[in-house]
Amino acid sequence: QVQLHQWGAGLLKPSETLSLTCAVYGGSFSGYYWSWIRQPPGKGLEWIGEINHSGSTKYNPSLKSRVSISVDTSKNQFSLKLTSVTAADTAVYYCARGVGLQFLEWLNYWGQGTLVTVSS
Amino acid sequence: QSVLTQPPSVSGAPGQRVTISCTGSSSNIGADYEVHWYQQLPGTAPKLLIFGDSNRPSGVPVRFSGSKSGTSASLAITGLQAEDEADYYCQSYDSSLNVPIFGGGTRLTVL
Repeated sequence: QVQLHQWGAGLLKPSETLSLTCAVYGGSFSGYYWSWIRQPPGKGLEWIGEINHSGSTKYNPSLKSRVSISVDTSKNQFSLKLTSVTAADTAVYYCARGVGLQFLEWLNYWGQGTLVTVSS
Repeated sequence: QSVLTQPPSVSGAPGQRVTISCTGSSSNIGADYEVHWYQQLPGTAPKLLIFGDSNRPSGVPVRFSGSKSGTSASLAITGLQAEDEADYYCQSYDSSLNVPIFGGGTRLTVL
């Protein structure tokens, strides 16, 4: 059974860098799109970006200048960094496993979510 | 403003059938990119409900079904149960943005 477990700082000040890591247990690490999605309080889901096992990345154009996703295949982990955060970045952040042949099609396993609050 | 449009809310009595629509455009659903649906129970992570327009992952009840036509897709839930009360999101891919996209979500209330 595939499980994703994520962790990281939950309270940040404006201008700081958000940093989250997601560990994958069970199943293969290769052949999938390892993704980050966020959900502001009371709002819908927003795809942040993805990375595959070889390190190829794709980001949401609205966040591209501030986002970086990396992978550590030796630990079956991938990480998210979002720089210069503001209150608008307050959200629950989820890691997830994406499935697809030529692009991410659907997300079939999700982490438990981490609430990140940006406040001075 | 989400690229995929869903009604903010739907409701139904136990045992009834409800449908949730997801409307896109010629660069996503209309371009024949598949639609996927997620169920998010209160305070939990989203769960894959339907993938590839109409396929159910193992363990998802047959009460849940998906369909697609033109630039729209629908999720149908028959034999509504109290435990179905949740937020539902559609998701697809957009060839203009070149990224996965979500609908704004629909809150299902079981009366």
